Amino acid sequence: DIQLTQSPSFLSASVGDRVTITCRASQDINIYLAWYQQKPGKAPKLLIYGASTLQNGVPSRFSGSGSETDFTLTISSLQPEDYATYYCQQLNSFPRITFGPGTKVDI
Amino acid sequence: QVTLRESGPALVKPTQTLTLTCTFSGFSLSTSGMCVTWIRQPPGKALEWLALIDWDDDKYYRTSLETRLTISKDTSKNQVVLTMTNMDPVDTATYYCARSDFYTTGSYYFDYWGQGILVTVSS
Repeated sequence: DIQLTQSPSFLSASVGDRVTITCRASQDINIYLAWYQQKPGKAPKLLIYGASTLQNGVPSRFSGSGSETDFTLTISSLQPEDYATYYCQQLNSFPRITFGPGTKVDI
Repeated sequence: QVTLRESGPALVKPTQTLTLTCTFSGFSLSTSGMCVTWIRQPPGKALEWLALIDWDDDKYYRTSLETRLTISKDTSKNQVVLTMTNMDPVDTATYYCARSDFYTTGSYYFDYWGQGILVTVSS
């Protein structure tokens, strides 16, 4: 299976900060990558798909980039409601779908 | 408005079979491109994809669990059922169902999720 690694695993940031999370795939996944946000006790929420397409209703401070093996999720100006865990997911090897281990964004 | 809701037992004993139902509204699984999937998350751990069923009744399973999983749909009831046999304490997790709209997103990204159901496996 394709392995996804995320860095950092934990990130401490302040409101207004620019935050960047990296996801690296163990092999080329084209642009079949998504980012999800999960708050404690809640279901994940789709933020970005196709590496860079913003899901409807997601604030424009979120953006995604990358292709092949290296991807980033950027929050341009961190807001209080953005404190959460973020997961990347690859679908290039469907049905062998895999998720990354997550990055927790905390104060 | 798309909604999904998981239902099933909160507690199962080791070796028993788990049956979970996802009841959804706001879309039809008979519409081309629509899929429903199951994902689980052990406490404090990452997400793990389990199974997916599409509009054409094609079914896909996590390789490592394929012998234990069965996914099925009842289009008339807007329900998808997942069964997992031979449950073990390591299967303790929150189980989510989610939707994919293949033709809108270009793949099986999960755009709507249920709230999840915590299933504990213990004697």
